[in-house]
Amino acid sequence: KAGVTQTPRYLIKTRGQQVTLSCSPISGHRSVSWYQQTPGQGLQFLFEYFSETQRNKGNFPGRFSGRQFSNSRSEMNVSTLELGDSALYLCASSLEGVENQPQHFGDGTRLSIL
Amino acid sequence: AQSVSQHNHHVILSEAASLELGCNYSYGGTVNLFWYVQYPGQHLQLLLKYFSGDPLVKGIKGFEAEFIKSKFSFNLRKPSVQWSDTAEYFCAVIPIAGNMLTFGGGTRLMVKP
Repeated sequence: KAGVTQTPRYLIKTRGQQVTLSCSPISGHRSVSWYQQTPGQGLQFLFEYFSETQRNKGNFPGRFSGRQFSNSRSEMNVSTLELGDSALYLCASSLEGVENQPQHFGDGTRLSIL
Repeated sequence: AQSVSQHNHHVILSEAASLELGCNYSYGGTVNLFWYVQYPGQHLQLLLKYFSGDPLVKGIKGFEAEFIKSKFSFNLRKPSVQWSDTAEYFCAVIPIAGNMLTFGGGTRLMVKP
């Protein structure tokens, strides 16, 4: 069974631009979560979607948004990019809710802001 | 909100040495606990999890962890490490009534051959 697929793998943007990252969960998984990983802050939770609804959101500004489609695929959007947004963005999926299911992670999208 | 602390940021061991990585969390209610591992160049993988029952849980590759509720700890152990265990290890918790997984800062383990 295919794992969690994130596209693109690498992305270079400049300050002020916006970016959209994509995540395809494991087939049958309905929960998709997004995380930001940086050397200084570690892994930080962005948001979780379940059946097209955002169920929880981490402590990130409104420039970070997401959505989930009916096929469970998810996108994350960051507007007005800042240098500090440079990070590895990880997507994870689980069969049901995050609270009682281990998550399966993708390889991530490495975003660099110039 | 919950928080997770991993006190050892970097650990260097020789092969065959025993390993114990500390993980402490703060949360007033019941939680589920996880250890994930990230090998160089690979994605995060689940090592083991604790939801309920026997507080000593066994995971893949000879790893185990013990949940001590009174100490809010979930330390990871392995009796004899191998060079291939070189990786970064993350402890994570989630309240059973919540849906936000919180990770510790990670511990980088280097095993010298």
